[in-house]
Amino acid sequence: DGGITQSPKYLFRKEGQNVTLSCEQNLNHDAMYWYRQDPGQGLRLIYYSQIVNDFQKGDIAEGYSVSREKKESFPLTVTSAQKNPTAFYLCASSIEGTRAHRGYTFGSGTRLTVV
Amino acid sequence: AQKVTQAQTEISVVEKEDVTLDCVYETRDTTYYLFWYKQPPSGELVFLIRRNSFDEQNEISGRYSWNFQKSTSSFNFTITASQVVDSAVYFCALSGLSNTGNQFYFGTGTSLTVIP
Repeated sequence: DGGITQSPKYLFRKEGQNVTLSCEQNLNHDAMYWYRQDPGQGLRLIYYSQIVNDFQKGDIAEGYSVSREKKESFPLTVTSAQKNPTAFYLCASSIEGTRAHRGYTFGSGTRLTVV
Repeated sequence: AQKVTQAQTEISVVEKEDVTLDCVYETRDTTYYLFWYKQPPSGELVFLIRRNSFDEQNEISGRYSWNFQKSTSSFNFTITASQVVDSAVYFCALSGLSNTGNQFYFGTGTSLTVIP
């Protein structure tokens, strides 16, 4: 079955460490997105990529980095510069980047906790 | 500006009661799409419905129904005869055809608890 796979489901990180969250899709979607979810704040866009080897900052990109070397993969690195990284991270994809009216497909998320 | 407002942060109902989740949106686009997603405790957002701005017909799918009113910029979601499995966070979202980049504007979500 096609879908989006995020791993790991739970992740613990020590302060000062970088950590990478994985997102893989086999839907042949062009666009991929990373969202951060905090209680009571809905979903906020971190980064998005409409095509391979290209990505753009979202609303809260500081302290994060991404790469898009393959169409099916869009990993997110939470760097030590991110001051409050504890959150739930959701990856999504859509068929077309600029006409996402068909909606997103979401992964099951990664819950990151800084210890 | 594009914006989605879900004023209800949390709602609790007793099983079998009907419940309506409100969604109000703002957009300058003449063509746009509205969505509802369900987020169960497992975390994944599940697509429920998409409605384009030219179709104001209400839609019913089983116990779910949606009321789209452009005059009030609302896209409300009603669950009839609620069940415990309906307990989740529900997000309303807006996507404009002219958008680039940030394709979706999500509301802050409504957490629904159905009490057995």
